[in-house]
Amino acid sequence: RKEVEQDPGPFNVPEGATVAFNCTYSNSASQSFFWYRQDCRKEPKLLMSVYSSGNEDGRFTAQLNRASQYISLLIRDSKLSDSATYLCVVHTGGFKTIFGAGTRLFVKA
Amino acid sequence: DTGVSQNPRHKITKRGQNVTFRCDPISEHNRLYWYRQTLGQGPEFLTYFQNEAQLEKSRLLSDRFSAERPKGSFSTLEIQRTEQGDSAMYLCATGLAGGGEQFFGPGTRLTVL
Repeated sequence: RKEVEQDPGPFNVPEGATVAFNCTYSNSASQSFFWYRQDCRKEPKLLMSVYSSGNEDGRFTAQLNRASQYISLLIRDSKLSDSATYLCVVHTGGFKTIFGAGTRLFVKA
Repeated sequence: DTGVSQNPRHKITKRGQNVTFRCDPISEHNRLYWYRQTLGQGPEFLTYFQNEAQLEKSRLLSDRFSAERPKGSFSTLEIQRTEQGDSAMYLCATGLAGGGEQFFGPGTRLTVL
């Protein structure tokens, strides 16, 4: 079983739609969680951290469920510019960082 | 540009040759990571430095791979006796002490013929 698993998609949604991605992790001792965004042929960039109480940044909402060992990302009112790959990231107890394989999102007009 | 820089951006080599990549971090970032990324996959952790100390190394990393960060600033990643399976994008990321965010460089794309 992979340490971090994501649905690869692709998710094809119209502009204005709401879309949600989940990510599961296997190490119950994992300490911190993030969502990164990666555009085609570009480096990953931090989208948002994921806090235990859940957090929101504009149209983006991230949630953590430690009991079920998953994190989620909700995007409301999708824009064409949201088209990208969304990477789930987990920091384990050491210094290792584990990236999921990513979920591809295409937002169409 | 004060971001993370990596050189070279592209490297084409023949199987069996040695290659070395360089990463220059954002000033004052004492955390430095190396990753490898192949098409359709997320970045795969290779190794981690805190200042000049290499504190974590992936078990997947064979002994052909070595990384250094001699003065706690720039870092190098060397691959000896390259194999075709080493073809990938090699990414460097850095961050501040105590912080979670990692800032990625543009990567070095390696092609082994």
